[in-house]
Amino acid sequence: GAVVSQHPSWVICKSGTSVKIECRSLDFQATTMFWYRQFPKQSLMLMATSNEGSKATYEQGVEKDKFLINHASLTLSTLTVTSAHPEDSSFYICSAKRSAETQYFGPGTRLLVL
Amino acid sequence: EDQVTQSPEALRLQEGESSSLNCSYTVSGLRGLFWYRQDPGKGPEFLFTLYSAGEEKEKERLKATLTKKESFLHITAPKPEDSATYLCAVRARVNYGGSQGNLIFGKGTKLSVKP
Repeated sequence: GAVVSQHPSWVICKSGTSVKIECRSLDFQATTMFWYRQFPKQSLMLMATSNEGSKATYEQGVEKDKFLINHASLTLSTLTVTSAHPEDSSFYICSAKRSAETQYFGPGTRLLVL
Repeated sequence: EDQVTQSPEALRLQEGESSSLNCSYTVSGLRGLFWYRQDPGKGPEFLFTLYSAGEEKEKERLKATLTKKESFLHITAPKPEDSATYLCAVRARVNYGGSQGNLIFGKGTKLSVKP
């Protein structure tokens, strides 16, 4: 299957700092990437859709000024959690759309904000 | 409202004991139903896509089937390495309902296979 990578795989930061997470599609070009958040024993919740060369589309309830998304190339999207707080601690997963229907997911980034 | 419900929440099987996982969905215009496997601390791994009622797909010990209201993931003679959480997701047709064509996930079924 297609390969999507994320970096870092885990990060611990102090409250108030910003954290950047990278998502790369390694063997295909992705005009559309997605960012999800998953809390323990919960399903994946879509945060935003990232389109190469244009602004991201955020889901209802997701603060666009807090979760900055940049999709500058066909293989890279970044999510920056600005002024992180403990309630932002979660498992963040990106995915890339390879075809019209199929999405491939990255391995996830675990964020812990102290 | 588009919705996906998976059952059971957790399933414990003995090695070789076949069973099925259920995914019930409500969506206005199904564009595709997807099965993923997720290991602890990892991202979901794509398994199958089903598009229309009656469709079936197989991969090793797994077989996915689809009706107009639900999908089943059948596991034949499971092995301990099949232990994982299995996620079901649907994609609605764009402009139907409120999901804008994005994937809507169920909460998953956590499968444990004991040797």
